[in-house]
Amino acid sequence: DSGVTQTPKHLITATGQRVTLRCSPRSGDLSVYWYQQSLDQGLQFLIQYYNGEERAKGNILERFSAQQFPDLHSELNLSSLELGDSALYFCASSATDRVINTEAFFGQGTRLTVV
Amino acid sequence: GESVGLHLPTLSVQEGDNSIINCAYSNSASDYFIWYKQESGKGPQFIIDIRSNMDKRQGQRVTVLLNKTVKHLSLQIAATQPGDSAVYFCAESPLGGGSYIPTFGRGTSLIVHP
Repeated sequence: DSGVTQTPKHLITATGQRVTLRCSPRSGDLSVYWYQQSLDQGLQFLIQYYNGEERAKGNILERFSAQQFPDLHSELNLSSLELGDSALYFCASSATDRVINTEAFFGQGTRLTVV
Repeated sequence: GESVGLHLPTLSVQEGDNSIINCAYSNSASDYFIWYKQESGKGPQFIIDIRSNMDKRQGQRVTVLLNKTVKHLSLQIAATQPGDSAVYFCAESPLGGGSYIPTFGRGTSLIVHP
């Protein structure tokens, strides 16, 4: 167990809908990272928050947004969902603000299926 | 568990053999590289990293080799064990400036037969 908790584990929704994925970082970690992993594109970095503020932005679509709350948990909002958004969404956390971080721990992911 | 290994290159080895997993990277500006292991149903785990000023780095049972000339990275696992069965992928990132955003390879599925 990495200490990073993601909910829900599985989510099935229809095209055009909006969903929210939740991540609770390890105790004491200030950074939260979001990644998308699809079969055809592998792992892609989406966005990082550090202590409530956006730190780095990767290949995140405009239909997607994220935030980190004062208690340091984070939510990734995906709207106007398309079939191609079906993927595993991972959250990771770390104590530092570095974007690429060997000490980041990953959650088990949320499997999103858009039908 | 969930599988991310579908449609990936696969390497099958016998327990006790050495495994070599390869990764070609694309960005000449990348100067920092990481190997990750991802078991079925789990998130990626850091294995080993290497900076571009090195050609080789060794960890416990793992060695990473970097060939900047041909933009190639390899991960060698000695005495492969069934617990090493997973998807392995590399990540590249420029550390010296500009975008720090890492780029990840799609990975190779390693299957270790007892």
